[in-house]
Amino acid sequence: DTGVSQNPRHKITKRGQNVTFRCDPISEHNRLYWYRQTLGQGPEFLTYFQNEAQLEKSRLLSDRFSAERPKGSFSTLEIQRTEQGDSAMYLCASSYQTAQETQYFGPGTRLLVL
Amino acid sequence: SQKIEQNSEALNIQEGKTATLTCNYTNYSPAYLQWYRQDPGRGPVFLLLIRENEKEKRKERLKVTFDTTLKQSLFHITASQPADSATYLCALLNNYGQNFVFGPGTRLSVLP
Repeated sequence: DTGVSQNPRHKITKRGQNVTFRCDPISEHNRLYWYRQTLGQGPEFLTYFQNEAQLEKSRLLSDRFSAERPKGSFSTLEIQRTEQGDSAMYLCASSYQTAQETQYFGPGTRLLVL
Repeated sequence: SQKIEQNSEALNIQEGKTATLTCNYTNYSPAYLQWYRQDPGRGPVFLLLIRENEKEKRKERLKVTFDTTLKQSLFHITASQPADSATYLCALLNNYGQNFVFGPGTRLSVLP
């Protein structure tokens, strides 16, 4: 068990570019979550998967954001046409079957949009 | 509107004292509440979970209480140490029971 990993750890991009982040959860975990965190705030829920099915997506999430978990293992989060307001830490977490289970977080990907 | 508040943005205490952090919520009926620790530049780390039918939970120097009438959870660290300095986040299961919603966190500094 190597924990949740995320790549890249840091990303700097220019406004209008597309970016993609990857999350590798703990192997036996069925649930995978994406969060966004800005300075001085707690993680803000974006979306979650149960195996390969995306079951919930935050209403705050712009259409420019899309996430996939094609084989129920790793997941990708893509942001199209990035804006400066997208600058944040993007966190991935995984857990066992049910919502109340402990979430194990990855180290995050810090995005800076210039 | 739904809201989660944590007592203060920052809390400074002297080493050896008990740190008490609060988490208050509005317009939620959580069945579960969790506390996490987060160090700068890292993801949150789970500490404790408490269920709505539990009044108190302990783990080593940590204690959590959950009062669904007051809509409040208290998180205590006894015999605090400088290594306890971090941001502490509360998270509660939302009303649909499908994901946790996090508070803004309290940054704790334990001074030697």
